Order: sequence, then C-alpha cells, then structure tokens
Amino acid sequence: KQEVTQIPAALSVPEGENLVLNCSFTDSAIYNLQWFRQDPGKGLTSLLLIQSSQREQTSGRLNASLDKSSGRSTLYIAASQPGDSATYLCAVVMFSGGYNKLIFGAGTRLAVHP
Amino acid sequence: ETGVTQTPRHLVMGMTNKKSLKCEQHLGHNAMYWYKQSAKKPLELMFVYNFKEQTENNSVPSRFSPECPNSSHLFLHLHTLQPEDSALYLCASSQGAAGPQETQYFGPGTRLLVL
Repeated sequence: KQEVTQIPAALSVPEGENLVLNCSFTDSAIYNLQWFRQDPGKGLTSLLLIQSSQREQTSGRLNASLDKSSGRSTLYIAASQPGDSATYLCAVVMFSGGYNKLIFGAGTRLAVHP
Repeated sequence: ETGVTQTPRHLVMGMTNKKSLKCEQHLGHNAMYWYKQSAKKPLELMFVYNFKEQTENNSVPSRFSPECPNSSHLFLHLHTLQPEDSALYLCASSQGAAGPQETQYFGPGTRLLVL
C-alpha cells in the first residue's frame, strides 16, 4: 500500500531564506508526482507536476526534484516571501482503474514572517 | 479561481439531519472526485466518477451517498452523520484521460461540522 510522508510537518522561517520541503513514498511504481499549495479556507492549487521519467521541474522560485528509485521528492523554495505562507502537499499519482489516483501526504505548514 | 465551485462553503448539521453538498465544474472535464480532509490527516479519496460512472468507492460508509447526474455536477448526500465526519470536503475534476500530464483541479471545499 502506497504511503506518503512529508517532513517537516511545520516550518517557520524569516523572509529571504531558501527552503527545502521533503516528501517520501513507499512504492516507486508511480505515474507522476505533484506538489500542491493549500491556503486556509481554500482548495488546492497545483504548483509542479513531475512525470516519472523526469528528474526535476522548475517554476519561478520553485524547483521540485524526483528520485523515484529512492522514493523521494524535494520542493525547493528560493528567497522565501510572506506570500509563500501556506500548506504544501505532496501527492504521488498512481494509474488505477482508468484514472489517475492521487495519494497525498499530510503536508508541511509553512509560515514565512517579515 | 480554478473553475470548480462548491456550495455551501460552511455547513453545521446535527447527527439526524440530511443535507447535500454540491460541486460544479466549468472546465469541460469528464472525471469528478470527492475527497475528505480531516485535521492533521492526509486527504483521503472518497469517490470517483469518470464519464458519469462511479469507478471508485474507497470503502466509504453508506451514510455518504454520491450522485453524478451529468459530467458537470457532483453531489454528496449526507445522512445520520457522526461527529468524526466533521472535516473539509473537497471536490476536484480532471479531463478523465488519465494521461501523464493530467492534473486535478480542486474546488474551495465545504467545511462540515457535525454536532
């Protein structure tokens, strides 16, 4: 059974720091991996999607890497800003029954203070 | 805005009440999903509809009853809930083609409190 773990559970940093959020999964037979952001009272917004054949994806100040063989992904946030404060969720995507099934970690709650 | 709307945004109900959650997507997608997000727990997939057919029921108790009348609308009917059912219920949609680039688009959720 696929299990997804995110470390740390919570993080509080001053503005400007570079951050690394970690995600690990137990079954390497994944289709792809996604990182989402969730703001309080709102739904999830997809940040980056890495296909299983890829090693990393970049979008602005965000860079996500994937090491499928070791069951790990990291989300790197450069020069953090208060607007980055949110919960970051990692989800592995398994192909199941004709659709993409997302299995989520519990998230990392990030607070960036001025 | 992701193109997925949910109503109501907040709901308080007693254990003997019957209520329904509504989700609507304006993206032309063919697959719709219900997720449950409890405090400090990962999102759990509850139901999947692909081209209006239910393709997944993730061992959800029968007090939760989904309905998908067309590919744009998804309902979750609730009856005789328990306090532990209090959670954020999220709806999502996707194209339904299950390709490697397919992503799900999430609504803002309904915050449910069962007293």
